[in-house]
Amino acid sequence: GEDVEQSLFLSVREGDSSVINCTYTDSSSTYLYWYKQEPGAGLQLLTYIFSNMDMKQDQRLTVLLNKKDKHLSLRIADTQTGDSAIYFCAEIERGATNKLIFGTGTLLAVQP
Amino acid sequence: GAVVSQHPSRVICKSGTSVKIECRSLDFQATTMFWYRQFPKQSLMLMATSNEGSKATYEQGVEKDKFLINHASLTLSTLTVTSAHPEDSSFYICSARDLAGGIGNTIYFGEGSWLTVV
Repeated sequence: GEDVEQSLFLSVREGDSSVINCTYTDSSSTYLYWYKQEPGAGLQLLTYIFSNMDMKQDQRLTVLLNKKDKHLSLRIADTQTGDSAIYFCAEIERGATNKLIFGTGTLLAVQP
Repeated sequence: GAVVSQHPSRVICKSGTSVKIECRSLDFQATTMFWYRQFPKQSLMLMATSNEGSKATYEQGVEKDKFLINHASLTLSTLTVTSAHPEDSSFYICSARDLAGGIGNTIYFGEGSWLTVV
């Protein structure tokens, strides 16, 4: 089956770096995603990484992928209070359906 | 970027009534749309995959007669919660895949719809 797990909560101080971790079980996933959800809102796609990449950087965001360990991480540099939200990793389900399997979500709290 | 719009964003209905939620892709065509449900402080649970011009594919445990899905055009899918009960109160989110794009970043989410059944 496909289980995507994340730690539930992360608290950082403004200006520090945040690292949110995710583990998945479906080694055939071609794409892995990070989404941000602010309170009461939908999901915003932050970034994604193709499975043949180890790292992807996009401004303050850095995604690291360790396929051997099925581990994905999202690093947010210079974390701001506006980054406070729930972050979901997601993988595409095996097959042609393009269904996303979401992680349990990590609540990031940024302290001023 | 591509936009997926949901309507209504919030709805309150009486127990026993039905409520319809719309999901529209505003600037792209989507043969496939997905409906998710999210309980407070929990992750998203895929309810069904909506296919344009054919029947929706429901996930295990989701009642297809209770959650009616219609995908009549390439830009619109609707979810109707029939005979709603308080336990149906939840946040419902749709997503759509851009027909013209590859897999990478072409799955877009709506803003979500809060349903409260009283």
